Amino acid sequence: AQTVTQSQPEMSVQEAETVTLSCTYDTSESDYYLFWYKQPPSRQMILVIRQEAYKQQNATENRFSVNFQKAAKSFSLKISDSQLGDAAMYFCAYKTSYDKVIFGPGTSLSVIP
Amino acid sequence: EAQVTQNPRYLITVTGKKLTVTCSQNMNHEYMSWYRQDPGLGLRQIYYSMNVEVTDKGDVPEGYKVSRKEKRNFPLILESPSPNQTSLYFCASSLGRDPAPGANVLTFGAGSRLTVL
Repeated sequence: AQTVTQSQPEMSVQEAETVTLSCTYDTSESDYYLFWYKQPPSRQMILVIRQEAYKQQNATENRFSVNFQKAAKSFSLKISDSQLGDAAMYFCAYKTSYDKVIFGPGTSLSVIP
Repeated sequence: EAQVTQNPRYLITVTGKKLTVTCSQNMNHEYMSWYRQDPGLGLRQIYYSMNVEVTDKGDVPEGYKVSRKEKRNFPLILESPSPNQTSLYFCASSLGRDPAPGANVLTFGAGSRLTVL
């Protein structure tokens, strides 16, 4: 069965600094999708970034980028120039080829002014 | 505005009293799904649906039912709620298997906080 692991329950970063959140997953599939979602205190789930497994190039969205290592089954999120509004729970998610979605347990990120 | 709408947002009920949480999307999405969120466990998928009349079990389907009679609606039914179903519930939708970029990105509803006493 597929699993998603986020080994850092809590992280903190100084404002304007860079932080990396880790995510590893277990699968025997070759075709799948990976996502990072953000959940601020409002509880709304917001897409941060996505990556198709067939693409070798790492996805980037403004201050957010990923380090996708397919062979190692690793999908870390890097947040550059951290801002107070980045404080939230971050979830890594995996979507299988047959449409099941598995989320990791989440990493709570605090941003220190 | 493109959105997923869940109701009710908050509900306190008692053990055994049947309830339905509605979910509706206005984006003509093929794929719809339900999740429950519990502390330390992240979101766990309950059921998902690729199309009308097609539903599949997620990781935690016990105690829940769903139906997909119309493309836009995907209600979650708790026939006999129990206290261990106290949780935060999310409905989400996406285009599905469309090859367009972002077709698999989930759009979430605002969440429904359910308490079963």
